[in-house]
Amino acid sequence: NAGVTQTPKFQVLKTGQSMTLQCAQDMNHNSMYWYRQDPGMGLRLIYYSASEGTTDKGEVPNGYNVSRLNKREFSLRLESAAPSQTSVYFCASPKRGGGSEAFFGQGTRLTVV
Amino acid sequence: DQQVKQNSPSLSVQEGRISILNCDYTNSMFDYFLWYKKYPAEGPTFLISISSIKDKNEDGRFTVFLNKSAKHLSLHIVPSQPGDSAVYFCAASENTDKLIFGTGTRLQVFP
Repeated sequence: NAGVTQTPKFQVLKTGQSMTLQCAQDMNHNSMYWYRQDPGMGLRLIYYSASEGTTDKGEVPNGYNVSRLNKREFSLRLESAAPSQTSVYFCASPKRGGGSEAFFGQGTRLTVV
Repeated sequence: DQQVKQNSPSLSVQEGRISILNCDYTNSMFDYFLWYKKYPAEGPTFLISISSIKDKNEDGRFTVFLNKSAKHLSLHIVPSQPGDSAVYFCAASENTDKLIFGTGTRLQVFP
């Protein structure tokens, strides 16, 4: 039982390049989130998906797109990476609704040069 | 606009003593609060939670207190252990799947 799996773990991009961060959960949860963690800023919500087929913007959605491919997978895409998107990205999936306990992946450390 | 705030970026406590981590929030509609612990190079892990209908929840060495009138919650760790050294995040939700996190407090427990 892997929980939440993110790939890749590390990535370096040049400004303007695109990439997709992958996330999969094997817990049969409905909801999935993407957060970014920056020094002094904590964890900020980028996008979330309350159920398969739905996605909504979080606190910092600009520059990102998401796809809820199926119940298991929720991907985050950077169409044209910028240095301001250098961050650690976490995918998470809550146990149930109502902002309950969420399980996190190990993170993707992204550097945009 | 930061809805969940942790005003102390760091805290240093001696092993065996009490650690008190604080969190303030501005949204009175929040009805569920959680604490997460994060080690370097790992994802956050759930520690303890509390519903707004309670003012205290205890789990072993960890106790969370909620003061709704002050919009304040705190996490008490007694006794503190070196393995507790980590970054602690508080989070809140208003009965949706949107967990809003604070900025984190780095706890260091020294011998």
